[in-house]
Amino acid sequence: DGGITQSPKYLFRKEGQNVTLSCEQNLNHDAMYWYRQDPGQGLRLIYYSQIVNDFQKGDIAEGYSVSREKKESFPLTVTSAQKNPTAFYLCASSIETSGGHNEQFFGPGTRLTVL
Amino acid sequence: AQSVTQLDSHVSVSEGTPVLLRCNYSSSYSPSLFWYVQHPNKGLQLLLKYTSAATLVKGINGFEAEFKKSETSFHLTKPSAHMSDAAEYFCVVSDRVKIIFGKGTRLHILP
Repeated sequence: DGGITQSPKYLFRKEGQNVTLSCEQNLNHDAMYWYRQDPGQGLRLIYYSQIVNDFQKGDIAEGYSVSREKKESFPLTVTSAQKNPTAFYLCASSIETSGGHNEQFFGPGTRLTVL
Repeated sequence: AQSVTQLDSHVSVSEGTPVLLRCNYSSSYSPSLFWYVQHPNKGLQLLLKYTSAATLVKGINGFEAEFKKSETSFHLTKPSAHMSDAAEYFCVVSDRVKIIFGKGTRLHILP
């Protein structure tokens, strides 16, 4: 089965702790993305990576870090510097459609709650 | 610069009646346009996409959308709503450089 997996589905952490969210894909896609979703705000881009060993900040990168050591994996670390980390986090990967435009495939998401 | 506007944050329809979810976009280039659906606590699933081929695009679950360049719109429609259609819907515009999501429209289906 090809797809994107995110684990865990629900995650609870104490304030001040770093936490790492997992994202793995077996679609052989070059590009991967992390989004944060809050009620009524749609999806906001945190980080993206277009190729292994390279990544760029999105619109709300402060308090987050990523790595891209393997094509299949793009873990996101939520650091203690992120002021309001409780949210639903979505990972995606993309393939270029005809014409060179990106169609994104999404994982099931991880709901992070910081207590 | 690209942008996408979903004109309604909430839409309520009765089961069996038509659905219309509105989306307007702006783009400096010929964009690709997508509609995704999200059920509670789930990821996003692609409903349909426009990539400069036919302007009327048919998707899954009976949904379709029409690309109207003159109106810069890509509204999502379905002739007859089903209870299982209750979800949040996102309009997305993409060019080679960036992908922009609308803020979403929550569709409520009344019995």
